[in-house]
Amino acid sequence: DAGVIQSPRHEVTEMGQEVTLRCKPISGHDYLFWYRQTMMRGLELLIYFNNNVPIDDSGMPEDRFSAKMPNASFSTLKIQPSEPRDSAVYFCASIPSGGSSYNEQFFGPGTRLTVL
Amino acid sequence: AQSVTQLDSQVPVFEEAPVELRCNYSSSVSVYLFWYVQYPNQGLQLLLKYLSGSTLVKGINGFEAEFNKSQTSFHLRKPSVHISDTAEYFCAVSEWGSQGNLIFGKGTKLSVKP
Repeated sequence: DAGVIQSPRHEVTEMGQEVTLRCKPISGHDYLFWYRQTMMRGLELLIYFNNNVPIDDSGMPEDRFSAKMPNASFSTLKIQPSEPRDSAVYFCASIPSGGSSYNEQFFGPGTRLTVL
Repeated sequence: AQSVTQLDSQVPVFEEAPVELRCNYSSSVSVYLFWYVQYPNQGLQLLLKYLSGSTLVKGINGFEAEFNKSQTSFHLRKPSVHISDTAEYFCAVSEWGSQGNLIFGKGTKLSVKP
């Protein structure tokens, strides 16, 4: 299996621009999580989906952030407009079907976002 | 609400020395406990997890952790580290019956020197 795939791996953009991060979970996994990692705040859960439906988006910092999962094999995290404080590494992770609190999360390699 | 505290942000150690990375958690309900490792420029991968049963859990790469309920701790240990163990280590908890969302500690950077 290819694992969780994220693209792009690196993104550099200017303040005010729209940024779209992409994630393909492992086939057969029906839970998908988006995290943000910064030096100051560590790893934060932004939102997670089950069967393409958002379950908890309480970690999404502002209305500038939105996430979608149009099908079982693809999710996007969009920031519009982007700001320098959004600079971070964004991770996507997935859990097998029937996800439970004891399951291992499988992480993608992350997208390093720099907003100038 | 749950929280995870990793007491050391950085741990330098010489090769072949033992190491312990400390983790304490706080929760009003029962939790499962995890240690993840992040190598430079990579995502996180699972080292080990405690679900129930024996309080000593063995993981990959020679790591082990001990669950101590009375002290709400889940410290990670390795008797002899290698240069290749240089990485950042994250302790995490998930609440019983939840859908798998994890609460992470801030991480401990382990630096193994020759």
